[in-house]
Amino acid sequence: GENVEQHPSTLSVQEGDSAVIKCTYSDSASNYFPWYKQELGKGPQLIIDIRSNVGEKKDQRIAVTLNKTAKHFSLHITETQPEDSAVYFCADPPPTGGYNKLIFGAGTRLAVHP
Amino acid sequence: SQTIHQWPATLVQPVGSPLSLECTVEGTSNPNLYWYRQAAGRGLQLLFYSVGIGQISSEVPQNLSASRPQDRQFILSSKKLLLSDSGFYLCAWSLDRGYEQYFGPGTRLTVT
Repeated sequence: GENVEQHPSTLSVQEGDSAVIKCTYSDSASNYFPWYKQELGKGPQLIIDIRSNVGEKKDQRIAVTLNKTAKHFSLHITETQPEDSAVYFCADPPPTGGYNKLIFGAGTRLAVHP
Repeated sequence: SQTIHQWPATLVQPVGSPLSLECTVEGTSNPNLYWYRQAAGRGLQLLFYSVGIGQISSEVPQNLSASRPQDRQFILSSKKLLLSDSGFYLCAWSLDRGYEQYFGPGTRLTVT
């Protein structure tokens, strides 16, 4: 699949609250689901990813959940801190076989207010 | 460990001038290499990718070109820049048969 839809485009939360960003994909054969964080003026950094054989993965305050039936995956950030403020991108899983191309979502600008 | 470098970090060029952006990767062999462009406040647009020396695939028709003269070197070029070429250019690499992509620090290009 070549399309990935990401929502919301902007998200504003208070420090300590949780934030959730969702991406919907179209290719039912997709098997890799990454999330990237881009701070101002820097390149995106891979922060967490999940494979299709797993429903959830956690790394400290961040987690990714996958719903293969509905074809969407979500990024969850708990106990948000000001340094979580950034633009977050999901990516369309690459097609099975061949080169490993990623198509990125439009991004979500997260603002965490002290 | 692997590192990726891009230079220059910033560039201001007049319309019609040539362009050459360079990306190099250290600490890995035979990586897949990618060039992306990001307009201000926008997402990432894949421009070119390469799976090996001399192997370049273009994603978007434009006045840009890419070359891979060495295994870990990826170059983005233009003969004549347009105003619309302004943006943040990002190079990325992944392992052969690896899904994860790792980005460089980027080059901010302003065409005046």
